Amino acid sequence: DAGVIQSPRHEVTEMGQEVTLRCKPISGHNSLFWYRQTMMRGLELLIYFNNNVPIDDSGMPEDRFSAKMPNASFSTLKIQPSEPRDSAVYFCASSPGTGGTFGSGTRLTVV
Amino acid sequence: SQQGEEDPQALSIQEGENATMNCSYKTSINNLQWYRQNSGRGLVHLILIRSNEREKHSGRLRVTLDTSKKSSSLLITASRAADTASYFCATDAASGTYKYIFGTGTRLKVLA
Repeated sequence: DAGVIQSPRHEVTEMGQEVTLRCKPISGHNSLFWYRQTMMRGLELLIYFNNNVPIDDSGMPEDRFSAKMPNASFSTLKIQPSEPRDSAVYFCASSPGTGGTFGSGTRLTVV
Repeated sequence: SQQGEEDPQALSIQEGENATMNCSYKTSINNLQWYRQNSGRGLVHLILIRSNEREKHSGRLRVTLDTSKKSSSLLITASRAADTASYFCATDAASGTYKYIFGTGTRLKVLA
């Protein structure tokens, strides 16, 4: 099992550009989570899905953020337009119900 | 929110010593988990303890849970330099939503 796969590993973009982060969860895991990690705010839960359905998106900071899970093997987190304060490491995690496996993260830098 | 708070924020010990980290949370939980994060890397799941359990062991790790005090501790025995990392606790709501909220973490440094 390759674990949770995130892409890209690093993304540098200019302010105002659209950014799309991708995640492939572990097969058979029915829950998927997107987290953001910064020095100032720590690990923040942005949104989580259960059986491909968004259950709680209360952590999504603004309307500029959106997430989709079109099928059980793929999810995206989109920021449009991006701003410098969005710079962070974004983690995707999947879980079969208890415990969780994290991807390696996408380090996003918005300049 | 029911964010966990780890204590201490940073801990520096000598190799071979034991390291104890604490986590406090605010509301009832189904279970509590501990994760490790090496610098610049993703989080690695260490151990899960359910609300009806009081203690759990895994190798050199020992986790306790006191639901009456809403607190948990992680003990790493005979620490090694490779244990240097940040350690986080994560709690879920008792409603079983699998929505895990992470604490602020303890940065552990084990000196060789």
